[in-house]
Amino acid sequence: GENVEQHPSTLSVQEGDSAVIKCTYSDSASNYFPWYKQELGKRPQLIIDIRSNVGEKKDQRIAVTLNKTAKHFSLHITETQPEDSAVYFCAAVTGYSTLTFGKGTMLLVSP
Amino acid sequence: SAVISQKPSRDICQRGTSLTIQCQVDSQVTMMFWYRQQPGQSLTLIATANQGSEATYESGFVIDKFPISRPNLTFSTLTVSNMSPEDSSIYLCSVPDMRRGETQYFGPGTRLLVL
Repeated sequence: GENVEQHPSTLSVQEGDSAVIKCTYSDSASNYFPWYKQELGKRPQLIIDIRSNVGEKKDQRIAVTLNKTAKHFSLHITETQPEDSAVYFCAAVTGYSTLTFGKGTMLLVSP
Repeated sequence: SAVISQKPSRDICQRGTSLTIQCQVDSQVTMMFWYRQQPGQSLTLIATANQGSEATYESGFVIDKFPISRPNLTFSTLTVSNMSPEDSSIYLCSVPDMRRGETQYFGPGTRLLVL
């Protein structure tokens, strides 16, 4: 089955800095890659996603890049703010809606 | 996206007992998913629930421990049976987006503590 590796496990940045979280996947058949943000005590919320036929997608301060050849994808957050502090999960979908999650990255943004 | 609710939001249970968690969606969906999130961990898929058929369980999860019902297209239940402290987790249901099936949205979760 699919295996998703996520790094780093924790990431501390100063407000205004950029943050990058990286994931690799094992199954070349995976075709959809969502990113979820989970604040403490809350449900995971979809923040951005990318399909395998797209190399990059941007939504305001967040962007995701995908390298199908290398089987890795990354989340980029620019101009970080304290409210960006949360746990971020990458995931890969193989087939129809079978989500495999990475282990998560705890992002801490200090004012 | 669909509005998803879960009941109960949290519970404290004694070992050996069972708890049934409900998931309600405000629109009809073909598939519903149940996940477990152990403390400080990622999400792990337990099973996929389809209306009118048996749930499909992932490796490491069995029907006797986690029986699932899916009586209609807007509702599902997950039962955690014969609980032990190791079952203490957040249990979440999710549903696919109606237009973009690969995208999943999560319910608020049920926080379970087993003593």
